[in-house]
Amino acid sequence: AAGVIQSPRHLIKEKRETATLKCYPIPRHDTVYWYQQGPGQDPQFLISFYEKMQSDKGSIPDRFSAQQFSDYHSELNMSSLELGDSALYFCASSLGVLVFGTGGSPLHFGNGTRLTVT
Amino acid sequence: SQQGEEDPQALSIQEGENATMNCSYKTSINNLQWYRQNSGRGLVHLILIRSNEREKHSGRLRVTLDTSKKSSSLLITASRAADTASYFCATPISSGSARQLTFGSGTQLTVLP
Repeated sequence: AAGVIQSPRHLIKEKRETATLKCYPIPRHDTVYWYQQGPGQDPQFLISFYEKMQSDKGSIPDRFSAQQFSDYHSELNMSSLELGDSALYFCASSLGVLVFGTGGSPLHFGNGTRLTVT
Repeated sequence: SQQGEEDPQALSIQEGENATMNCSYKTSINNLQWYRQNSGRGLVHLILIRSNEREKHSGRLRVTLDTSKKSSSLLITASRAADTASYFCATPISSGSARQLTFGSGTQLTVLP
């Protein structure tokens, strides 16, 4: 079965540079989520998109932006990178708001992009 | 503050033993989910339990949910070395107009062969 595809797998950037992370959700999934996970930390929600519109926003810095395109893939753009941005960045997809209902729906995660800022 | 708190933070057991991990949460929920994460990899969904369910099984996994205590437990029976991973509980929460799946702090399970 198709899974969530993220690229690149690894990325090394210098401070103040920009980075773009890409995510291709599972076909027919209409919601994409971005999470950041620091070393030894739990995943922190950044932002989500439902049907190509921003749905919910978490602890995403103003230096970061994201969008979902007509083919449902999503990109996370990160500017003015800081050392503290070094982390694993995960994309996940699901069948939308079902996650929040009693019926429930799991998130399907990609293998992440490991960003290292030097 | 974290929606989910897990204990223990780390657990080391011998192969064949059972492993129990606990999760507490703060707000009311519609469902609670457990995920597994191998080091440096993505999270994998294990099991989802709805708020009107008290117990659920999937293979060697058993999950309980006590909504009155706002707690859940994950039991892995007859553990194997391949079960070594971090385990997270996650709850969908709504705060104002923001909805998100919030993860607990995780339990690092090590199963020794």
